[in-house]
Amino acid sequence: GQNIDQPTEMTATEGAIVQINCTYQTSGFNGLFWYQQHAGEAPTFLSYNVLDGLEEKGRFSSFLSRSKGYSYLLLKELQMKDSASYLCAPYNAGNMLTFGGGTRLMVKP
Amino acid sequence: EAQVTQNPRYLITVTGKKLTVTCSQNMNHEYMSWYRQDPGLGLRQIYYSMNVEVTDKGDVPEGYKVSRKEKRNFPLILESPSPNQTSLYFCASSLEWVRDNEQFFGPGTRLTVL
Repeated sequence: GQNIDQPTEMTATEGAIVQINCTYQTSGFNGLFWYQQHAGEAPTFLSYNVLDGLEEKGRFSSFLSRSKGYSYLLLKELQMKDSASYLCAPYNAGNMLTFGGGTRLMVKP
Repeated sequence: EAQVTQNPRYLITVTGKKLTVTCSQNMNHEYMSWYRQDPGLGLRQIYYSMNVEVTDKGDVPEGYKVSRKEKRNFPLILESPSPNQTSLYFCASSLEWVRDNEQFFGPGTRLTVL
């Protein structure tokens, strides 16, 4: 099975930087996804990491350490529209994607 | 427009009355999946399909059935719904199996079973 841990809620200020951490324990780890989900809407893809290191994509970056079972999502220059839940989802060799409970980020002016 | 569609978007029903939630994608994706989302529990996979006529159980398959007779459609069937199946349901698809491929989610179906 898989065990995924991420903070339930975070608050940050518009224009700031925020880091959302995710730790996981899974057998046969193959990669990790991050999805964004606005309230009442469907999740949308943000990033996918399979190798150790940082993947940068505009204002969003995602980091993975396979040996530590750890990932984080870094959001820079926060905007009000970034207020959403962020879902960490490790993928294992069993061809299943398991989602964490999500971190609800509130961006304040 | 490339998309995943689900119908109905909202449904209120009673215990034991069979229902089907349809899911269709127009992207020629091989992999399709159903999730339910409940407060505090996150997204949990119900069933998935790697291709036509191939389906597998996810984390929470009890009380659900699926079929994949055509590549584009992946209906979710509740033969005898119960109140504990009240939830928000999402269908998703990806080009191939989940590895290395982002999933595209439908808009969701909010189901209430009384």
